[in-house]
Amino acid sequence: KAGVTQTPRYLIKTRGQQVTLSCSPISGHRSVSWYQQTPGQGLQFLFEYFSETQRNKGNFPGRFSGRQFSNSRSEMNVSTLELGDSALYLCASSPSGIHAGTDTQYFGPGTRLTVL
Amino acid sequence: KQEVTQIPAALSVPEGENLVLNCSFTDSAIYNLQWFRQDPGKGLTSLLLIQSSQREQTSGRLNASLDKSSGRSTLYIAASQPGDSATYLCAVRLYSGGGADGLTFGKGTHLIIQP
Repeated sequence: KAGVTQTPRYLIKTRGQQVTLSCSPISGHRSVSWYQQTPGQGLQFLFEYFSETQRNKGNFPGRFSGRQFSNSRSEMNVSTLELGDSALYLCASSPSGIHAGTDTQYFGPGTRLTVL
Repeated sequence: KQEVTQIPAALSVPEGENLVLNCSFTDSAIYNLQWFRQDPGKGLTSLLLIQSSQREQTSGRLNASLDKSSGRSTLYIAASQPGDSATYLCAVRLYSGGGADGLTFGKGTHLIIQP
């Protein structure tokens, strides 16, 4: 089975721009989560989608948004980019039936976003 | 707010040693605890997942234990090898509104195994 894929792998943007990142989960997985990793804050949870609905959300400003499509692929969008948004953005998928908390999370390689 | 702490932050040992990485968390209402490794510039690889009702999990040379009441987990690596060099991350998944929340991660232990 193919793993979680993320595109693009690297991205350079300037302050004020917006960006869209894409994640394709493992085939058959219905849950997709997004995380931000920075040297200072470590890994932080952004949001989780299941069957096209946002199920959970972390403590991030409204500039960070996401969506999930009927094929479980997910996108996250960051509007009005700030320098502090430079980070590795990781996507994770899990099978996630009813007992969502029991699933192993499988991570993609990440998208490295640099904001200049 | 759940906090996850990993000790030590960095560790360098010669090849062949057995070692223990520690993880502590402040809120015991967890669904599960997961250990990951992260290689430089890469995503995370899941190593072991322990459900809240379990005490330990084993995979090859790795053994992870969970003591929910004291808020602690340990990852034991037997007969370490240079290929084990990576950053090891501990993460807990909490209950939230009847379901599960996103993972809360520790800052990791950066492990170097010297040949």
